[in-house]
Formats: sequence, structure tokens, C-alpha cells
Amino acid sequence: KAGVTQTPRYLIKTRGQQVTLSCSPISGHRSVSWYQQTPGQGLQFLFEYFSETQRNKGNFPGRFSGRQFSNSRSEMNVSTLELGDSALYLCASSLRVAPGANVLTFGAGSRLTVL
Amino acid sequence: AQTVTQSQPEMSVQEAETVTLSCTYDTSESNYYLFWYKQPPSRQMILVIRQEAYKQQNATENRFSVNFQKAAKSFSLKISDSQLGDTAMYFCAFMNPNTGNQFYFGTGTSLTVIP
Repeated sequence: KAGVTQTPRYLIKTRGQQVTLSCSPISGHRSVSWYQQTPGQGLQFLFEYFSETQRNKGNFPGRFSGRQFSNSRSEMNVSTLELGDSALYLCASSLRVAPGANVLTFGAGSRLTVL
Repeated sequence: AQTVTQSQPEMSVQEAETVTLSCTYDTSESNYYLFWYKQPPSRQMILVIRQEAYKQQNATENRFSVNFQKAAKSFSLKISDSQLGDTAMYFCAFMNPNTGNQFYFGTGTSLTVIP
């Protein structure tokens, strides 16, 4: 069973540009969550998508957005990049079949560097 | 918002010895879930162990066990017979099923197993 796949693994952008990151969940998992990991702030929740709908959103500016497709694959987009957006972006999928019965399975992450 | 605190940024243990990582959390909820995740240097986060708050029995997974003290809001991880492969960042996480699939993570403890 393939794990959670994130692409690209590494990318370098300059301030003001935008970036799109992709996440393919484990087959059968309909929930995809995104987290930003930085040395200073740790892991912070960005948003969760389930059945193509955003179910929950963290405390991030509107420059951070996402979507989910009918095959459960998800993308997140960051527009007008700032230096502070440099981070490891982690995607996690879960079955979300019942409240609480969920374990997040993480991908390897996309390392974004903003210059 | 829920908060998760890991007060030990770094720890080390001799191979084959036992080590305990600390975690405290703050919540007014009675039903919730707690997790320990491991992030080795390769970066992929891996679930170590999960605990349901309504279960009084402490969870165990092979060499990993927890000491869950609900009244004290404490959730420590004990690693027995430490192995070199246990070297990683360990994150404690909290999830309240009433607020969706959002996980709250501590800042992590970097564990080094010394040969």
C-alpha cells in the first residue's frame, strides 16, 4: 500500500512568487490535512479537506489556500510568498470514518525555501 | 485553543537503557485523544502510540508505553531498551474529536540514543 506522496520534495522560490504543493493520500483515505513545520513555531495546522470540502482551517492568512479533488488528492497554494513562509510543509491523510478514530499518516514533506 | 507542552527540548540515553519523555496539555474537554509521533532525521513523521482519554489503561506498543495521568493532564512516553533507531524528534499531539480532525502538537523533544 503506497504511503502519502508529496511533490515536490524541495523547491526554492523568491519573494512575491506563488507556489503550489501537491499531496496524494493513502488509497481510501478521504481526509487530507496540511501542516507547516518551522523551527520556531513547530507544527501548525493549516487546513483539512474531506470529500472536496474544507472542514477546518488554522490561523493563517488568506495567502494560504487549498483544495481537494474527487480522487482525494489535495493541493495547497501560497501566494505572494514571504521569507517567513520558508518551512517544511507536511501533508497527512486519514480515514476520518468516525470522530476520534483517526490517525494521521504523514508524507515526507515539501521543503520550501523563499529567498 | 488546546496547548501541548514538551518541556525537554533535548534528551539523550544510552543504548539499551530506558528514557521517559514528558508532555503536558491543557484542555477543558473530557473526551480527546493523545498521540506520540516520531520524526527521524529522514523527516517522515511516524505514529508511535495513541491513547484514548476515556481509557484508563495506559497504551503500550512493544518497547513504547505511556503514563497517562488525566487529572494532571500529563502524557509521558517511556522507551525501554533504547535502540539507535530511536534517535529522532518526538512530538506529543492532542486531538479533540469535537473540533474536527485538527491535531495540536508540542514543540518536540530531540532524543539521541548513544551507542
